[in-house]
Amino acid sequence: GNSVTQMEGPVTLSEEAFLTINCTYTATGYPSLFWYVQYPGEGLQLLLKATKADDKGSNKGFEATYRKETTSFHLEKGSVQVSDSAVYFCALSDRRDDKIIFGKGTRLHILP
Amino acid sequence: NAGVTQTPKFQVLKTGQSMTLQCAQDMNHNSMYWYRQDPGMGLRLIYYSASEGTTDKGEVPNGYNVSRLNKREFSLRLESAAPSQTSVYFCASADRGNTIYFGEGSWLTVV
Repeated sequence: GNSVTQMEGPVTLSEEAFLTINCTYTATGYPSLFWYVQYPGEGLQLLLKATKADDKGSNKGFEATYRKETTSFHLEKGSVQVSDSAVYFCALSDRRDDKIIFGKGTRLHILP
Repeated sequence: NAGVTQTPKFQVLKTGQSMTLQCAQDMNHNSMYWYRQDPGMGLRLIYYSASEGTTDKGEVPNGYNVSRLNKREFSLRLESAAPSQTSVYFCASADRGNTIYFGEGSWLTVV
């Protein structure tokens, strides 16, 4: 079946550092890929998405590129802020049956 | 903007008791989902419904049942609660692009 694997946290960085959170997937067919963010005490909200190979999703300075050849969708940001501290989830949706599954989440701490 | 509404927000159950978590969405979405969130385990899919009248098992369906009552409502039932079902439960619905929208969560403790 489909699966999503993302790097384990917590990840701790200083403000203005470069961020990469790795996400790889296993899927039959051509899934859509997502990053969701969960701020402390809140529910999950969509950060960005990509629906086909080589698409780049971007939002709030975050980017991720759908790489079919490496089955990856790594999240990047050039300069993180304290306000980016949250848990980040990579997700995959199978358009054949609308099943949506998530990775285990990566907790990010940004130090001022 | 109500979005996805789930109730109750907090519940404490004794082992063996039953309960139903209610969920409704007002975005006219076909697909609805129930997830549980546990520390270190991320979000795991319990059941989902791709359209009114259909339901399918997710990654961790054992101990749960669901009902897609109509297009708006998707309930999750625990027939005989166990301590292993202590978790935060999220209901969600998804648009045609499979962007998922979550409810605020239900904190369930089984003692």
